[in-house]
Amino acid sequence: EPEVTQTPSHQVTQMGQEVILRCVPISNHLYFYWYRQILGQKVEFLVSFYNNEISEKSEIFDDQFSVERPDGSNFTLKIRSTKLEDSAMYFCASSEGEGPFRVGAFFGQGTRLTVV
Amino acid sequence: DAKTTQPNSMESNEEEPVHLPCNHSTISGTDYIHWYRQLPSQGPEYVIHGLTSNVNNRMASLAIAEDRKSSTLILHRATLRDAAVYYCILRDLDDKIIFGKGTRLHILP
Repeated sequence: EPEVTQTPSHQVTQMGQEVILRCVPISNHLYFYWYRQILGQKVEFLVSFYNNEISEKSEIFDDQFSVERPDGSNFTLKIRSTKLEDSAMYFCASSEGEGPFRVGAFFGQGTRLTVV
Repeated sequence: DAKTTQPNSMESNEEEPVHLPCNHSTISGTDYIHWYRQLPSQGPEYVIHGLTSNVNNRMASLAIAEDRKSSTLILHRATLRDAAVYYCILRDLDDKIIFGKGTRLHILP
């Protein structure tokens, strides 16, 4: 069964460093998302991406965050200068269609980011 | 922005059916009802979705009230592996999924 793959599974970084979280969405999917979940809290929406541009972003997704689909298969989330409060599980998701063809989104297993 | 209401937690015995309720009294005509679940230490997992009619798939059934103001996710025969947080989510024509607190389902052996 196709799945969303995320790497690395765990990333430890120093405060102020840049990190890139990587995701390989399901191959025929067109819509891509990043979410995060701080330990013990809700899953929070960060950003959605379609047709090579951001379609929606939350208040959390400030100028420190960026997303890219560099090569047609990978989907990355970059945090330019990490803060302690960025420590969380980051989930990538992809979806095949929207609107009248709305279907479920499929999530990866997540990358645990620890900022020290 | 919580548009759905779910019990915080529920318990069920293994191998028995489970009915997880969700109220969404302010649902609009274009809102789809989606259910996801999150097993411990895993990412959210799509379960099922529907608009007006009841839906069945290999994981579960979704029963939607005639007025669409409530729905019920039905797990026909719960196993220990079904212990998770279950999220009832309304999705409009925008594309993001907004998670609430969900229902934590405990399965008793």
